[in-house]
Amino acid sequence: EVQLVESGGGLVQPGGSLRLSCAASGFTFSNYWMHWVRQAPGKGLVWVSRINSISKITSYADSVKGRFTISRDNAKNTVYLQMNSLRAEDTAVYYCGREGGAAEFDYWGQGTLVTVSS
Amino acid sequence: QSALTQPPSASGSPGQSVTISCTGTSSDVGGYNYVSWYQQHPGKAPKLIIYEVSKRPSGVPDRFSGSKSGNTASLTVSGLQAEDETDYYCSSYAGSNYWVFGGGTKLTVL
Repeated sequence: EVQLVESGGGLVQPGGSLRLSCAASGFTFSNYWMHWVRQAPGKGLVWVSRINSISKITSYADSVKGRFTISRDNAKNTVYLQMNSLRAEDTAVYYCGREGGAAEFDYWGQGTLVTVSS
Repeated sequence: QSALTQPPSASGSPGQSVTISCTGTSSDVGGYNYVSWYQQHPGKAPKLIIYEVSKRPSGVPDRFSGSKSGNTASLTVSGLQAEDETDYYCSSYAGSNYWVFGGGTKLTVL
């Protein structure tokens, strides 16, 4: 059974940093591209970032470019999102998702809440 | 990287059909057959229900169907059931390793 489990969320002050983790199981992690998607309270889904299977290619939404860094450790079956210079508008539930064969997000984690507030 | 446009709400009576639209541009919806749809119940993770415009993952009822014409994709839910009442989001690949979501549609079963 495919499972994605996020962790690392919490309360952080504006300007602070946080690193999210997403532990994968139930599939060959190194074969799949992985994403982060976020959802502000009461709002819609917003794509954040994506990393290819061997970490050579990454991409970011304009709103986080230069502040967030996606990475992965295929030996640990884990994808990360390092978030720096956090702003109030980064407050959201952050989901990791697996990319299927047609650019779809075929499996999602349960999400981890990041709150940026003083 | 502008969000795709979905109607904020849609509704229908049990047994009826309802269609939710998702409008983008030639750079996303119109440019690729990589449109997907997600169902999200309150407090839960999104669930994939349609991918590659019109394909259904195993286990998704055939009451859910997808299509695309030009820059607009559509999700149709036939034979509405009470359990279909929740939020729906479209997504599209937008080229150059970027993705975009719609703003979401709240479906109400009357």
